[in-house]
Amino acid sequence: GQSLEQPSEVTAVEGAIVQINCTYQTSGFYGLSWYQQHDGGAPTFLSYNALDGLEETGRFSSFLSRSDSYGYLLLQELQMKDSASYFCAVRVPFTGGGNKLTFGTGTQLKVEL
Amino acid sequence: DGGITQSPKYLFRKEGQNVTLSCEQNLNHDAMYWYRQDPGQGLRLIYYSQIVNDFQKGDIAEGYSVSREKKESFPLTVTSAQKNPTAFYLCASTKIDSNEQFFGPGTRLTVL
Repeated sequence: GQSLEQPSEVTAVEGAIVQINCTYQTSGFYGLSWYQQHDGGAPTFLSYNALDGLEETGRFSSFLSRSDSYGYLLLQELQMKDSASYFCAVRVPFTGGGNKLTFGTGTQLKVEL
Repeated sequence: DGGITQSPKYLFRKEGQNVTLSCEQNLNHDAMYWYRQDPGQGLRLIYYSQIVNDFQKGDIAEGYSVSREKKESFPLTVTSAQKNPTAFYLCASTKIDSNEQFFGPGTRLTVL
């Protein structure tokens, strides 16, 4: 099976930098994804890391260390609109073929003035 | 505009009744998924379909059923056998070799 751990809540001020960590245990691993979900809304894709290292997309960056089963999402120049839940998800083989995502329980980010 | 639609957004049912949630996509994606989300929790996979007329149970399939008669459509039936059906249900789709899943707006089901 798979298990993921991420902090339940993080608070930061507008303009700051925040890092959301994710550790995972899984049998079979293709990569680590990050999704953003605003209250009552649909999750939206932020990033995917299959290889070790840092991937940067605008204000957001994501890091993966396969040897440490660890990744993080880095959000820079925080804005009020970044207040949302952030989920890490491991992409793993599916027993019936193909692959699936297993999600963590999410980190609620609150951005304050 | 391409996307995924789910209807209705809110659904109320009496205990013991089956209910079907609709999911339609016009993204020409092969794979479709159903997830359940409970308050303060992550998404849990209910069912998964890679191609038409084929689907597979996810992690919490008990009490649910699906069909995939068309590429665009993947309806989910919540049966009376599902012991705690009140939840937020999300449908998603993706190209087979893609890393990104696209989600619909979700259906919030409340069983009274």
